[in-house]
Amino acid sequence: EIVLTQSPATLSLSPGERATLSCRASQSVSNYLAWYQQKPGQAPRLLIYDASNRATGLPARFSGSGSGTDFTLTISSLEPEDFAVYYCQQRSNWGITFGQGTRLEIK
Amino acid sequence: EVQLLESGGGLVQPGGSLRLSCAASGFTFNNYAMNWVRQAPGKGLDCVSAISGSGDSTYYADSVRGRFTISRDNSKNTLYLQMNSLRAEDTAVYYCAKAKGANWGSLSPDVFDIWGQGTMVTVSS
Repeated sequence: EIVLTQSPATLSLSPGERATLSCRASQSVSNYLAWYQQKPGQAPRLLIYDASNRATGLPARFSGSGSGTDFTLTISSLEPEDFAVYYCQQRSNWGITFGQGTRLEIK
Repeated sequence: EVQLLESGGGLVQPGGSLRLSCAASGFTFNNYAMNWVRQAPGKGLDCVSAISGSGDSTYYADSVRGRFTISRDNSKNTLYLQMNSLRAEDTAVYYCAKAKGANWGSLSPDVFDIWGQGTMVTVSS
């Protein structure tokens, strides 16, 4: 099983600041890495797929990068609605796995 | 509007059974693989099962293989998850989720671009 480790566990920032979230895979997943956002009481929402492709309708302040084992989700300037939990997911093989999540909270 | 609506969750005793349903609308259901992803209270996400658009290919996580059965009725645009021999550790919100890529025949790992609102399954005596 491919283990995805997200860091930090919690990130405290203010609106307008830049957020950088990390996801590290225990072995290469090529570019088969996605990011999701989940708000309390809601289902996850797909943000980024195949490392750097934005989902339909996603604001341009969200971007993804990386390949192999190290990936980054960047939010260039935080809006109030961006504070949530973020998960990465790999689809390199069956045994799809998710990271444990990064909670992005308002400072 | 693309929509997934789960039903069938509830409280069940250990060893019991439940059948979850997921009604799909707004897209060509049989063109897409479908998945069940669960989330235990306060925990992360776990993909437990998937089925190809045709229904001919399936995937199960080790934790549920032999106890859960995924199926679909393309004439009714509905996905199912039959859960038997339930355990306390199966307690979770169960989401149905649509695979992003159109693929009728085969089943490949994918990302999930549409999610239902979830249905809670509680296994407890």
